[in-house]
Amino acid sequence: EIVMTQSPATLSVSPGERATLSCRASQSVGSNLAWYQQKPGQAPRLLIYGASTRATGIPARFSGSGSGTEFTLTISSLQSEDFALYYCQQYNNWPPYTFGQGTKLEIK
Amino acid sequence: EVQLVQSGAEVKKPGESLKISCKGSGYSFTTYWIGWVRQMPGKGLEWMGIIYPGDSETTYSPSFQGQVTISADKSISTAYLEWSSLRASDTAMYYCARLRCSGGRCSSRSAFDIWGQGTIVTVSS
Repeated sequence: EIVMTQSPATLSVSPGERATLSCRASQSVGSNLAWYQQKPGQAPRLLIYGASTRATGIPARFSGSGSGTEFTLTISSLQSEDFALYYCQQYNNWPPYTFGQGTKLEIK
Repeated sequence: EVQLVQSGAEVKKPGESLKISCKGSGYSFTTYWIGWVRQMPGKGLEWMGIIYPGDSETTYSPSFQGQVTISADKSISTAYLEWSSLRASDTAMYYCARLRCSGGRCSSRSAFDIWGQGTIVTVSS
């Protein structure tokens, strides 16, 4: 089973600033990597798939990069609605398609 | 509108059986994989397994193999997650989600693009 490790566990950033979230895979997953956002009491929402492609309706301030074992989600200018939990997920090797443990993005 | 609508909250006792549902609408239900994801209280997301409603091909995470049953009834565009004997440790939120498809026979190697609202299952004596 591939282990996905996200860092940091909690990230404190001020509105308007840039946030950079990291995700590392225990072995290569190619570009088969997704990012999800989850707000309290809500289901997750797909942000990025294929490591760098924004899902339908996702603002351009969200961008993904990386391949192989190292991936990054960048939010260029944080809005109030962006403070949430973020998960990465690999869908290259299964079963299962594993999730990272999450990064909490909080207001500084 | 493409959506997945899950059945309501459940409160059960240990040892009881349970089947929760996920109804798809607004798209061709038989051609997209549907999966189930567990989220225990205060914890992260766990991939449980997926099913292709067109032919009921199913794959489970080793962690959930033998613990739950995933099924689908394509005639009513509904997927199911079932337990034969619940445990307290099954207490969690359960989400169904659709795998994104880019054409042809949809691949199982994909991300979840549409999510249900979740079904909270509480198992307590």
